[in-house]
Amino acid sequence: GAGVSQSPRYKVAKRGQDVALRCDPISGHVSLFWYQQALGQGPEFLTYFQNEAQLDKSGLPSDRFFAERPEGSVSTLKIQRTQQEDSAVYLCASSLSLLREKELFFGSGTQLSVL
Amino acid sequence: QKEVEQNSGPLSVPEGAIASLNCTYSDRVSQSFFWYRQYSGKSPELIMSIYSNGDKEDGRFTAQLNKASQYVSLLIRDSQPSDSATYLCAVNIGAPGRYSTLTFGKGTMLLVSP
Repeated sequence: GAGVSQSPRYKVAKRGQDVALRCDPISGHVSLFWYQQALGQGPEFLTYFQNEAQLDKSGLPSDRFFAERPEGSVSTLKIQRTQQEDSAVYLCASSLSLLREKELFFGSGTQLSVL
Repeated sequence: QKEVEQNSGPLSVPEGAIASLNCTYSDRVSQSFFWYRQYSGKSPELIMSIYSNGDKEDGRFTAQLNKASQYVSLLIRDSQPSDSATYLCAVNIGAPGRYSTLTFGKGTMLLVSP
């Protein structure tokens, strides 16, 4: 596709419900990142994939958060037993380059509201 | 201490004025610096990148980097109401020679009044 695609655009979940957020990066982009952006804050790093390998998951806030990218393209961020503090916009970004100097292309995000 | 600091604003300037946005960072190893613009309810979009000390100009935008002072700024000349957005400073945090992730500041909200 032309850009990074995320779905759903909005998700309302009851506390304790499991959710799955999807990211379809730009074709050919090796690097894929998930960020969490709370209201009024900058994006906070969650996890990073290089192709299908999850190289860094140090930003995942708890073991309720799980991400995968099994074929090195589409990625899914799963949150189990959602809590109110999980409410945020979840941004996916992809990059062509593995180098430090890289441009991230962001998707439109999934706004998660946990009631 | 947060690794990337920005004044949250809002910074209010009249149309046609110069807007000056500032950012400081804590990691002396950082080599790459970025400014993203984020309109309300939208995703961040890259507007400037800078890697060397000094100024880098692109149209109405100028990024300035001073690694000794660990300071990076963004100047917007001839500000327009359409420039009203939150500007996020982002820094590559990590050792040279390996991948690194971007660390973002909280962002500065810019309001340009007609």
